[in-house]
Amino acid sequence: AQSVTQLGSHVSVSEGALVLLRCNYSSSVPPYLFWYVQYPNQGLQLLLKYTTGATLVKGINGFEAEFKKSETSFHLTKPSAHMSDAAEYFCAVRRSGGYQKVTFGTGTKLQVIP
Amino acid sequence: KAGVTQTPRYLIKTRGQQVTLSCSPISGHRSVSWYQQTPGQGLQFLFEYFSETQRNKGNFPGRFSGRQFSNSRSEMNVSTLELGDSALYLCASRRTERTEAFFGQGTRLTVV
Repeated sequence: AQSVTQLGSHVSVSEGALVLLRCNYSSSVPPYLFWYVQYPNQGLQLLLKYTTGATLVKGINGFEAEFKKSETSFHLTKPSAHMSDAAEYFCAVRRSGGYQKVTFGTGTKLQVIP
Repeated sequence: KAGVTQTPRYLIKTRGQQVTLSCSPISGHRSVSWYQQTPGQGLQFLFEYFSETQRNKGNFPGRFSGRQFSNSRSEMNVSTLELGDSALYLCASRRTERTEAFFGQGTRLTVV
């Protein structure tokens, strides 16, 4: 079985401040991990992914995430928040191997305060 | 390269009716997955098709069904609609079963 826990359903940061969105996962086998962003009434857009190799993953729009196996975490960060970053963010996990479904976290809504 | 296309974008149906939603994956993608998104339950996996075969299924009643055609396009059908079926239905495509999913903009279904 696999699951994802996102700590904090709502996070507020000031424009220019560090963004930190937390994600912890559980998986019985090595996981693939993803962060997606969703703007109102839109689908999900892939920000970044971890499959194998380098544990620090860089994505679009200045976001990055670090896979920490010992902590079973995959937190999303961005050094300086921009107003356009306000959206809902989803962490997701799937087991490596074929035909594995993706399990999403419950999402974190990011508010950026000017 | 065109993205995942879902039609229609918005739909209003009456309880008891049935509905069919359509998803055209990115060209070359052979896998299509469907998700239901609601404020209370979040993103819930419905099913995934790969090369016209259902590979995975979530915990939804039999009223929810799907299929995939030889051109990889997929349809999802919900019969005997209930008010609780009101949701954003998202379709995602993958090139293979091991690659990341790309999502469409969704179909907003409202059941009245």
